[in-house]
This record gives sequence, structure tokens and C-alpha cells, in this order.
Amino acid sequence: DAGITQSPRHKVTETGTPVTLRCHQTENHRYMYWYRQDPGHGLRLIHYSYGVKDTDKGEVSDGYSVSRSKTEDFLLTLESATSSQTSVYFCAISAQDYGYTFGSGTRLTVV
Amino acid sequence: EDQVTQSPEALRLQEGESSSLNCSYTVSGLRGLFWYRQDPGKGPEFLFTLYSAGEEKEKERLKATLTKKESFLHITAPKPEDSATYLCAVALGGATNKLIFGTGTLLAVQP
Repeated sequence: DAGITQSPRHKVTETGTPVTLRCHQTENHRYMYWYRQDPGHGLRLIHYSYGVKDTDKGEVSDGYSVSRSKTEDFLLTLESATSSQTSVYFCAISAQDYGYTFGSGTRLTVV
Repeated sequence: EDQVTQSPEALRLQEGESSSLNCSYTVSGLRGLFWYRQDPGKGPEFLFTLYSAGEEKEKERLKATLTKKESFLHITAPKPEDSATYLCAVALGGATNKLIFGTGTLLAVQP
């Protein structure tokens, strides 16, 4: 496999609680991305990183923050989870000018 | 505004019945167009990259083609195991290597 893992695979959390999702890669790729996938909206970019401590916002970044302190790890944090953040979250990695390799996803339910 | 539109949203075929999926795009500075396959509960899996109009790529029963405004994924004599959601994405210009995804075509191939 491509050497990208996401954890946890499933999580149920309560409204207002903080949640952190982890993406770990063993490919030493520069670029890492967090997407959410919802019916009717497809994959939408939340945040991305182009190097250690270098991150930027995507199209749906409100309510989310990220950190990348090491090349191999990219963390997505929901500061205070809301029901609208119930979704499937995918991490992806890429080398320059190549397509993405995706993780298996995290199914997050906010109740 | 950069946009990717896929059609149809869903397609039901009989085994052996060939068809095509469409991906139309309006972007400023296309660096590449990607096709992915996604099975339920899994992350998208890379199929093809196309970089310039006129380019074609083939893999088993799938063939992807690219024009200046759209891409087609042709499926020849499909089998039930080809059932999946097929996603199209375009890479934008610039150093971020970001992809914009369409909402996908859900393909069901009946035996």
C-alpha cells in the first residue's frame, strides 16, 4: 500500500467537544491535504500543507485547524465540534505534479 | 471560478453494455486531469492522469480521453466489479498542487 494511514477510522463525539484526526505517511511527500466528503458536494478541501509548519486554508476551513510539526504527520483539529461537521474525512498526500494518494478515511459523527 | 462538473450523476448498465462518463471543467491553467475510482467505505484510488488535449490512457476496460474542455472515461464491456463511484479532478496552476474534484458518477453494472 501507499504508506498513508488515518486514525481513528470511526469516531462519535458530542457537540462542543474538541476532536483531532491524524494522518501519517511514510512516503516523505511534501504535500498533505485534508478533505471532507459529503453527499452532493463531493470532496472539498479543508486545509493543506506544503511543508513542515507550512499550511494554508482550503475552501471549507471554518471551524478547523491543522498542524504539521513533522513531515510524516498532519493533524486536523475540530476546535468545538458541530453537527455540520459530521462527515467522512480523507487525508491525501502527493509529490509535486503528481496526483494524490488517499487514506482510507475517518467517519466522524457529531451528536 | 474554477469548476468541475461530472455527468451523469448515476448510471446503471447491463454487463457488457459499453458507455462513457463525462467530466467537463472550467479552470484557469490546467496542469493535469485525474480520474479516480472509489468503492464504498474506501478512499479514492488513482486510475489515470491526462496532461494535454488529445491524450489518451487505457487500463483494462477503461479508457480516458482529454479535450480542451472535457474528459471522457469510456467503459468497454463492463463487468459487475466495475461498479463504483468514478471521480474526476483537475490540478490547478501554481505551487500548491491542489486538486478540485467533481461530485462523481455512481456506476452500477448489473449481471
